[in-house]
Parts: sequence; C-alpha cells; structure tokens
Amino acid sequence: DQQVKQNSPSLSVQEGRISILNCDYTNSMFDYFLWYKKYPAEGPTFLISISSIKDKNEDGRFTVFLNKSAKHLSLHIVPSQPGDSAVYFCAATSPTQGGSEKLVFGKGTKLTVNP
Amino acid sequence: EAGVAQSPRYKIIEKRQSVAFWCNPISGHATLYWYQQILGQGPKLLIQFQNNGVVDDSQLPKDRFSAERLKGVDSTLKIQPAKLEDSAVYLCASSPDRAEQYFGPGTRLTVT
Repeated sequence: DQQVKQNSPSLSVQEGRISILNCDYTNSMFDYFLWYKKYPAEGPTFLISISSIKDKNEDGRFTVFLNKSAKHLSLHIVPSQPGDSAVYFCAATSPTQGGSEKLVFGKGTKLTVNP
Repeated sequence: EAGVAQSPRYKIIEKRQSVAFWCNPISGHATLYWYQQILGQGPKLLIQFQNNGVVDDSQLPKDRFSAERLKGVDSTLKIQPAKLEDSAVYLCASSPDRAEQYFGPGTRLTVT
C-alpha cells in the first residue's frame, strides 16, 4: 500500500523552462513533506520541505506547493538547469507515538533537463 | 561539516552468507536511520535509533537483520543469512531534529 505516490517515473524538460514534479499522498495524518534529490551513486540530498500549515514554500529556484484538500504537492523548478537532472523523491512524515519520525518515500521521478 | 560516512560502498556476496555495513553519522546528530532502497523504489525505513535506543524497527526483518548503535554514535547493520531479495542499496541517515535527514552515500549490496 503506497502512501506516497509519484506517478511519473520520468520527466524531460528544456533548459530554462519550468519543471513540475508531482506527488500524491493518502495518509491524512501526514503533516510534513519533503523533497529529496538524488544523483547516481550518492545518497539523497534534502532539497526543500513544507509543513501542512502552509500551502507554499520557496527557496531560490525551488518552490513547493501543498494542496491539503487534494492530498497533493508539487515541486516547481524554474528556470531548470542541466545540473538539476537527478531523481527526485517526495517524502512525508507524521507525528507518532514514541517520537518516531519515519519518512515515507515515493518511488521517485527522474528529471532530465536538456541543454 | 563532515557528512554521513558509510562503508563499504559496494559488496557482493553469495546467498546464505552474512554481511555487515557500518555508518558514522554527522557529529551531534542524535537520531540515526537505516533505509533499504530496492532498484526503482524509494528508500524504506528499516530501523531508527534515538541515541543508542531503538525507536522504530517495525519494518526490520528480525529473523535475518540486526542493527546496533553502540555509545549512541556509530551503527552497524547486519544481514545473516542473506537472500537474493536483499540486493539493494542500504542508506544510513542522521538527523539533528525533526524530519530533515542527511543521507550517506549508501552501500550497494548484490546477493548472488
């Protein structure tokens, strides 16, 4: 049972254009969402996050939007650069008993930015 | 600031053999996580430590996997005996606070 879904395995965009990566979740208890970026042979790197009390968070070229009613979030990268080519993972967490902060990851979307 | 260190980076073993992975988290990070990432999937949490105590090991296959974090710093993850389906990248992460986790480069395990 996939609680965090990234339905697009891959996305290809031109340099300078906007990249939009989508993520859906099913668990209404999730209250914190993160995006990680992963290059081959490296571990995931934290990119940006958003709390459920917000609907938008921006950091430079990266903006995450959260639509709680639709249980949907998206990551916008603008302008896209070739160095952004990587696999992007959406992750979510919820407060649990015992202090566990388990991240639940989607399967990832491979972004390719073409020069 | 030094990142999360893991070793070895790659390991190939035969099924039914045992293997161990090592992780050194970022200094001062109290929480340490081990994840399993199978090809084409996102990372799946195996075990979470808070200092040297286990917080969550609900998805750890305890009949063959074990992990420890001595003195609340370094950690080892062991598989004994390994199965073909254990082939994956094993990621270690650490965190100073809620949710933002810093990952190591991972150990790619191939079981033949």
